[in-house]
Amino acid sequence: DAGVTQSPTHLIKTRGQHVTLRCSPISGHKSVSWYQQVLGQGPQFIFQYYEKEERGRGNFPDRFSARQFPNYSSELNVNALLLGDSALYLCASSFRPGGEDTQYFGPGTRLTVL
Amino acid sequence: QKEVEQNSGPLSVPEGAIASLNCTYSDRVSQSFFWYRQYSGKSPELIMSIYSNGDKEDGRFTAQLNKASQYVSLLIRDSQPSDSATYLCAVNIVSSGSARQLTFGSGTQLTVLP
Repeated sequence: DAGVTQSPTHLIKTRGQHVTLRCSPISGHKSVSWYQQVLGQGPQFIFQYYEKEERGRGNFPDRFSARQFPNYSSELNVNALLLGDSALYLCASSFRPGGEDTQYFGPGTRLTVL
Repeated sequence: QKEVEQNSGPLSVPEGAIASLNCTYSDRVSQSFFWYRQYSGKSPELIMSIYSNGDKEDGRFTAQLNKASQYVSLLIRDSQPSDSATYLCAVNIVSSGSARQLTFGSGTQLTVLP
């Protein structure tokens, strides 16, 4: 079975630009979570979606937004990029939301903002 | 107080020794606890999940949970150089409003010396 997939693998943007990251969950999983991981830190929760509805949002500015599609894939959008947005963006899927079920991570998207 | 705290490390052990990784958490009603391993430049991969007080063993890995002390640990027996990685403790904690989400510690970097 295919695991969680993310695209693109790497991305280089300049300050002020917009970026869209994509994620496809494990087949049968209906919940997708997004995390930001900066060097030397653990993943920080950004969003969780379940059955196309937002179920949780972390402490991130409104420049960050996401959505989930009918096939349970998801997009993370970041507007007006700042240098501090440079990080590894991780997508994880699970059967249920809320952090009770095991979350399986995709390979991540490495975003560099210049 | 951070919601999930881990030994900052780095931790070095000789090959064949037992590595002990510790984690404390702030939310008394958390029910789900996870250990992930993350190699440099890669995404986190699940090692163990534990939901009940006591020990849970899987091969060379043993997770220990004490909800009264709000403490979870991971023991790695017969440590191998391939175990050298950052180990992340994750707990489902009330985050945004009343929503529970998976919250990570900052990780402990383990080096197993040949």
